[in-house]
Amino acid sequence: DAKTTQPNSMESNEEEPVHLPCNHSTISGTDYIHWYRQLPSQGPEYVIHGLTSNVNNRMASLAIAEDRKSSTLILHRATLRDAAVYYCILRRNSGNTPLVFGKGTRLSVIA
Amino acid sequence: DAGVIQSPRHEVTEMGQEVTLRCKPISGHNSLFWYRQTMMRGLELLIYFNNNVPIDDSGMPEDRFSAKMPNASFSTLKIQPSEPRDSAVYFCASSLQQGYNSPLHFGNGTRLTVT
Repeated sequence: DAKTTQPNSMESNEEEPVHLPCNHSTISGTDYIHWYRQLPSQGPEYVIHGLTSNVNNRMASLAIAEDRKSSTLILHRATLRDAAVYYCILRRNSGNTPLVFGKGTRLSVIA
Repeated sequence: DAGVIQSPRHEVTEMGQEVTLRCKPISGHNSLFWYRQTMMRGLELLIYFNNNVPIDDSGMPEDRFSAKMPNASFSTLKIQPSEPRDSAVYFCASSLQQGYNSPLHFGNGTRLTVT
């Protein structure tokens, strides 16, 4: 699986936007970009995914660079409940393949 | 829907004992995944099933680990004999194999401590 690179940790103030970056320079044409997050003492949960176009859902937005070598997860207004580890994962578009997790970015939200 | 249900939430056992972890996937989901999480190694895939059939078990660390899925609504992960290095949080996840890129839904995990 293609590798992703994320900062180890980031910090944000409550109610401000957060931009979580992810680099994936070896992405292939059939790789989707997935984001999951893991809240303390819970299993990972799906956030969003995309291929080429930017995507929005109730949780977040995903901005994908034109060359697809990087992407950014955007939380529009961080809350204390958004404090978690955020994982950027490339998933091959070839059936229901598993997720391969890296180390992710630990997001801290300050009140 | 109750989500993916794992039991027990916590398990403490002595080295050498058999441990069985259980998972009930979301009804209608036909793919099931077992992961293990430790501080040192992060989240690792152990094995996954499609339609109750094991597809890839290359992540199972040793022969002491085995997993079964006798039907669409139940899976077990067994460790026999257990060792202290097996201490970790074990997660089960399920998804609907409908097209591609169906999200995985994770349970809250079983925290295993082997003394």
